[in-house]
Amino acid sequence: NAGVTQTPKFRILKIGQSMTLQCTQDMNHNYMYWYRQDPGMGLKLIYYSVGAGITDKGEVPNGYNVSRSTTEDFPLRLELAAPSQTSVYFCASIDGVITEAFFGQGTRLTVV
Amino acid sequence: GDSVTQMEGPVTLSEEAFLTINCTYTATGYPSLFWYVQYPGEGLQLLLKATKADDKGSNKGFEATYRKETTSFHLEKGSVQVSDSAVYFCALSPKAAGNKLTFGGGTRVLVKP
Repeated sequence: NAGVTQTPKFRILKIGQSMTLQCTQDMNHNYMYWYRQDPGMGLKLIYYSVGAGITDKGEVPNGYNVSRSTTEDFPLRLELAAPSQTSVYFCASIDGVITEAFFGQGTRLTVV
Repeated sequence: GDSVTQMEGPVTLSEEAFLTINCTYTATGYPSLFWYVQYPGEGLQLLLKATKADDKGSNKGFEATYRKETTSFHLEKGSVQVSDSAVYFCALSPKAAGNKLTFGGGTRVLVKP
């Protein structure tokens, strides 16, 4: 049982480059989330999805885009990387009833 | 909007000491409350939860009680071990559509032998 899988684990981008952070879950959860965790800080919600085809902004969506074409996958797109996007990114999923959120191991992104 | 405030760290303790991490929240209605733990280099994992007032969540020797009157959910452990060294996050979910978790800033705990 893989749970939530994120790729890549580490990435260095140059300013202005683009990339997609991949997230997939095998638990058939409807709800999926992207958070960023800045050094010494808590987690801030970037985008979330309540099901395939439905996405919505969290508290820090600027500079990011998402899509949810399947229940399993929830990729996060950075179009024009900026140093302010240097962070650790976590993907999470929850089933329809609150029990617990399952997190991926994170993607550490550095923009230089 | 919803918010979670928890004590800043780092908290440094000796093995077998008593640990308390304070957490208070602001939310409309009656959210579910959680403590998550993050070990070095890993994602977050659920430590314990409580879904209604006066519920006590417990796991691995940790406990927290949902106090509606003080809007608090303090984490406690009577005797910590070196393996408890981690970052602890308090979180709430409003039980509404979307079930969005709101996290506190995290508290780093370091337990020394």
